[in-house]
Parts: sequence; structure tokens; C-alpha cells
Amino acid sequence: DQQVKQNSPSLSVQEGRISILNCDYTNSMFDYFLWYKKYPAEGPTFLISISSIKDKNEDGRFTVFLNKSAKHLSLHIVPSQPGDSAVYFCAASATGANSKLTFGKGITLSVRP
Amino acid sequence: DGGITQSPKYLFRKEGQNVTLSCEQNLNHDAMYWYRQDPGQGLRLIYYSQIVNDFQKGDIAEGYSVSREKKESFPLTVTSAQKNPTAFYLCASSIGLAGLAGGLWNEQFFGPGTRLTVL
Repeated sequence: DQQVKQNSPSLSVQEGRISILNCDYTNSMFDYFLWYKKYPAEGPTFLISISSIKDKNEDGRFTVFLNKSAKHLSLHIVPSQPGDSAVYFCAASATGANSKLTFGKGITLSVRP
Repeated sequence: DGGITQSPKYLFRKEGQNVTLSCEQNLNHDAMYWYRQDPGQGLRLIYYSQIVNDFQKGDIAEGYSVSREKKESFPLTVTSAQKNPTAFYLCASSIGLAGLAGGLWNEQFFGPGTRLTVL
């Protein structure tokens, strides 16, 4: 039973346009959400996070939106750059859950020059 | 520089052999984790440890073993019982302790990974 779902395995966008990466979750106990970026043969690096008490968090070109009623979050990258091409993982955790993160399968983003 | 190191980066093993993957962190984090990543899959949790001398099974612990004798180190042994060991293995750490609020405590920092190939 996959609790964090990234249903689109890949996304291709033009440089300068917006990239929107989606993530859905099923566990209503999740209250903290993170996005990680991963290049091939490297470990993931933390990108941005959001607590369930917020519905938006912005950091430079990256914005994460959370819709708790729909159990949906999205990562917006604007403007997209070729260096953003990577796999993006959505992850979620619940307070008191031993700090475990549950990851989605990832979305491969390709930004075309 | 603070961080997490994993060694070796590439590892080859003959079928039937045990092999140990190293993970060291100097971030003074209490919690450490092992994941494996397969093509088209997310990160799946193998084992995790909240404090020294304590660890718990994750979602796919069969065929693996760990130890946590020191705060800085969390080695993973892939045993011959693991039926499909070829994968990319990632170690991570976080400040977090069980029961504390989310947020910063839940952010995990990852090492560069070890690619294990069974011949």
C-alpha cells in the first residue's frame, strides 16, 4: 500500500517555463512534507518542506503548495532551468513516527534548453 | 565540513558472500537510516536507528543486518540471504528522536550512496 504517490513518472518542460510536480498521500496522520532532488549516482538533497499548518512555502524559485483536504501537494519551479533536470522525490512524515519518512517513487524532470 | 560519507562508492560481490557497507556521519545526529533504491522505485527503508545500541527494522529488512555501536557509524551488512541485493544503497541521518515534533527533526541528510552489484 503506497502511502505517498507520485503518479507521473516523468515531466519535460521548456527552459524558463514553470514545472509543476505533483504528489498525493493517503495517510491523514502525515503532517510534514519534504521534497528532495536527486541526480544519478548521488544521494538526494533536501529542497524544500512544508508543515501541515501552512498551505504554501516559498524559497526562491521553488514553492510548495499543500492542500490538506485533497491530500495533495505540489512543487512549482519557476523559471525552470536545465540544471533542475533531476529526479524529485516527495516524502512525508507524521509527528511521533520515529522521524521516519515515507517516499514516493519520484518524478524525472527534464528541462529542455 | 559536516556530512555523511559512504564507502565504497562501487562494490562488487560474488553471489553467496556477505558484504558490509560503511556509513559515517559527523553531524552529531542521533538518528540514522538505510535505504535502497531500485530503478523506477522510490527509496525503501531497510533499517533505522534512533540512538546508539538500538535499531529497528524498516519495510524491507529481510536479508540485511545492522549495528549501531557508535553514534557516528551505522554499517549495513547485506547477507547471502538477500535474494536480490543488486541496488543503490543510501544512508541518511537526522537530528530527530521519536516523539518530538516534526519539521526540522524529520529532515534527513543523505550520503552519496553505494552501488552494489552481485556477480
